[in-house]
Amino acid sequence: DQQVKQNSPSLSVQEGRISILNCDYTNSMFDYFLWYKKYPAEGPTFLISISSIKDKNEDGRFTVFLNKSAKHLSLHIVPSQPGDSAVYFCAASRIGMNYGGSQGNLIFGKGTKLSVKP
Amino acid sequence: GAVVSQHPSWVICKSGTSVKIECRSLDFQATTMFWYRQFPKQSLMLMATSNEGSKATYEQGVEKDKFLINHASLTLSTLTVTSAHPEDSSFYICSAVNRGRLTQYFGPGTRLLVL
Repeated sequence: DQQVKQNSPSLSVQEGRISILNCDYTNSMFDYFLWYKKYPAEGPTFLISISSIKDKNEDGRFTVFLNKSAKHLSLHIVPSQPGDSAVYFCAASRIGMNYGGSQGNLIFGKGTKLSVKP
Repeated sequence: GAVVSQHPSWVICKSGTSVKIECRSLDFQATTMFWYRQFPKQSLMLMATSNEGSKATYEQGVEKDKFLINHASLTLSTLTVTSAHPEDSSFYICSAVNRGRLTQYFGPGTRLLVL
């Protein structure tokens, strides 16, 4: 049972436009969400996070939106740049509770490959 | 942001040998470190969680005698793949969490190829 889903395996966007990456989750107990960016053969790089008490968090070109009722979050990148081309993973966690063996475990989606074309 | 290093970045070994991978948090104390592996075109799969000074907690299906984890200090965790076989070839990534925080910071990964 996949608890964090990224239904779009890939996304192609023109440079300068907005990239919108989507993520859905099924476990209503998740209360902390993160987005990571990953290049091939490298470890993921943390981008931005949001806790369930907020519905929006912004950091430069990156904005994450959380819709708790829909169990949906999205990452907006504006404006998109060719260097943003990578695989983006969303992840979910539960604050302060043991999950899967240890506190703070992350449950990852399968990722969305973003291609930003010049 | 927090920096996590891994060593070595890649290793090629013969079947039956053991391989040790180090994960270090360079500018913070990591009370918890996680070990993942990633197969091609797959997501990250959590293998185990280690808390400093205690035994690691392994995910279902991960052999603890095969993948030995030691979290000896607040800045170092090691993963030893014992008697490695070709099916253990993968990309191994560690992450670390600072005390009281939630964000995991990942190392650059170690590519293991077992011949």
